[in-house]
Amino acid sequence: QKEVEQDPGPLSVPEGAIVSLNCTYSNSAFQYFMWYRQYSRKGPELLMYTYSSGNKEDGRFTAQVDKSSKYISLFIRDSQPSDSATYLCAMMAPGGYNKLIFGAGTRLAVHP
Amino acid sequence: SQTIHQWPATLVQPVGSPLSLECTVEGTSNPNLYWYRQAAGRGLQLLFYSVGIGQISSEVPQNLSASRPQDRQFILSSKKLLLSDSGFYLCAWSVGQKNQPQHFGDGTRLSIL
Repeated sequence: QKEVEQDPGPLSVPEGAIVSLNCTYSNSAFQYFMWYRQYSRKGPELLMYTYSSGNKEDGRFTAQVDKSSKYISLFIRDSQPSDSATYLCAMMAPGGYNKLIFGAGTRLAVHP
Repeated sequence: SQTIHQWPATLVQPVGSPLSLECTVEGTSNPNLYWYRQAAGRGLQLLFYSVGIGQISSEVPQNLSASRPQDRQFILSSKKLLLSDSGFYLCAWSVGQKNQPQHFGDGTRLSIL
């Protein structure tokens, strides 16, 4: 079993839809969670960085962490074609050095 | 603000040739530095990380090596490339304190012929 599981998609939604992206993980020691957005042929860009359980909102993006279920989500409201990208979840490995464990990424397409 | 530069953006190399990819970070001191490889449709595989000049930790055995000759410079090398070394190579940095997120460069797409 992988430490971090993420459905690769692709996920195709119409413009304006609410998008839900999810990851599950197996290591209960994870406490810091991130979402990155990666456009084609570019490096990942940090979208959200959260600690422990709860919600964090930034504009149209909301990150949610449920540590009891080992489940994290990223919601995108009023999705736009410019949101079309691959979204990667990441968890910070315990032990220092800020090493990350990534999901495989979910490819999202928002069509006009 | 901090910026990270990677070059070249694209590279085509023959099997058996050497490799040198360079990454530099600006606007910060004593960063942690990381090299990743991303295979098509797959997640990121951490290859090397460094917490200081001359300090390199390897995550997976392979045909590659890394060096950090200066505080904000990270180099990925190979003496003889293999076909399996093809991929998208990403450099990242984080603040050198605990629990800080990583920030990525725009990568080098390496094709081995």
